Amino acid sequence: GAGVSQTPSNKVTEKGKYVELRCDPISGHTALYWYRQSLGQGPEFLIYFQGTGAADDSGLPNDRFFAVRPEGSVSTLKIQRTERGDSAVYLCASSPSGAPGNTIYFGEGSWLTVV
Amino acid sequence: DAKTTQPNSMESNEEEPVHLPCNHSTISGTDYIHWYRQLPSQGPEYVIHGLTSNVNNRMASLAIAEDRKSSTLILHRATLRDAAVYYCILGSYQTGANNLFFGTGTRLTVIP
Repeated sequence: GAGVSQTPSNKVTEKGKYVELRCDPISGHTALYWYRQSLGQGPEFLIYFQGTGAADDSGLPNDRFFAVRPEGSVSTLKIQRTERGDSAVYLCASSPSGAPGNTIYFGEGSWLTVV
Repeated sequence: DAKTTQPNSMESNEEEPVHLPCNHSTISGTDYIHWYRQLPSQGPEYVIHGLTSNVNNRMASLAIAEDRKSSTLILHRATLRDAAVYYCILGSYQTGANNLFFGTGTRLTVIP
């Protein structure tokens, strides 16, 4: 389909390892968002890209988390020195632009488990 | 960010209407009211949004109080596929950005 695609769908990693999560937004969407969702909670905002630049990264919990979008389409969320508390579903979303009121389309998420 | 308050859970019988309430007493004049829902093991999906007037689309209706301090999402005829967590979110347009901040939502159970 033409929706937001995330890979991998599931990832199990050991504490202390490095992890990359990939997001392919809907073609033509300039705005891209990363959220994190823990069990029983609503999605928590992490970062928002408008084009290639991070317009708002205020939700990144600490400097172990980093995201890039070098060509304004695919984005990668990178987590260094993973901790058990990083276990969650990481959701990517995109919208046609970053203008308020645009519908945001979510992917199905990447489930990360840190053991 | 302006906050919303929703009941943790609600139940409805299949094929009956469902009214999901949301309080947002600190809403500002430029805040839109958005509703998203999340089915099990899926990402959230857009339902409806509005500013002042009531809104209708193929999925639902949104009734907004005259003072805008509360709103109600109306599913006209609940089906088993409507069982999900429903999130009421205020989008602050003062920032000029579209990123939304979710709460914990209302878990809707539809009884056959």
